[in-house]
Amino acid sequence: GENVEQHPSTLSVQEGDSAVIKCTYSDSASNYFPWYKQELGKRPQLIIDIRSNVGEKKDQRIAVTLNKTAKHFSLHITETQPEDSAVYFCAAGDGNNRLAFGKGNQVVVIP
Amino acid sequence: NAGVTQTPKFQVLKTGQSMTLQCAQDMNHNSMYWYRQDPGMGLRLIYYSASEGTTDKGEVPNGYNVSRLNKREFSLRLESAAPSQTSVYFCASSTGGGSDTQYFGPGTRLTVL
Repeated sequence: GENVEQHPSTLSVQEGDSAVIKCTYSDSASNYFPWYKQELGKRPQLIIDIRSNVGEKKDQRIAVTLNKTAKHFSLHITETQPEDSAVYFCAAGDGNNRLAFGKGNQVVVIP
Repeated sequence: NAGVTQTPKFQVLKTGQSMTLQCAQDMNHNSMYWYRQDPGMGLRLIYYSASEGTTDKGEVPNGYNVSRLNKREFSLRLESAAPSQTSVYFCASSTGGGSDTQYFGPGTRLTVL
């Protein structure tokens, strides 16, 4: 089955700097790549997603890029703010009603 | 529109006890999922239901059973709880039919003593 890995496991950034989290996946059939944000004690919430026919997608301060050849996709957060501190999960879907999740990245924004 | 709801929010069980976690969605979604979340392990799929009347095993199904009661409701049962089942359980739903966004419930924090 699909295997999704996230790097780095923990990322600390100064407020205002950019943060980048990278995920790799193993199944070339995967065609849907969402990112979820989970604050402490809360549920995971979708923040952005991308499909395999698109290379990049932006939504205000966040963006996702996809490299299908290399089988990796990345989350970019610009102008980080304290409220961006959370655990971020990437996932990959292959069209069979299932998502394979990575283990998560802890992002800490230092004021 | 409540989205995905779960009951209870917290539960403490003794080893060997049974319980059922309830999940309901009001978004007319076809597919529903149960995950468990343990520190450093991410979200692991226990069971899912691609559509009403069907259920399938996920990555970690041992020790659990599920029932897709109707289109709205999907329950998870622990027949004989074990300390290894101490976890946070999330239910999710999606429109189904392929690669779709999953929407999560608020979670149930379960402790098995």
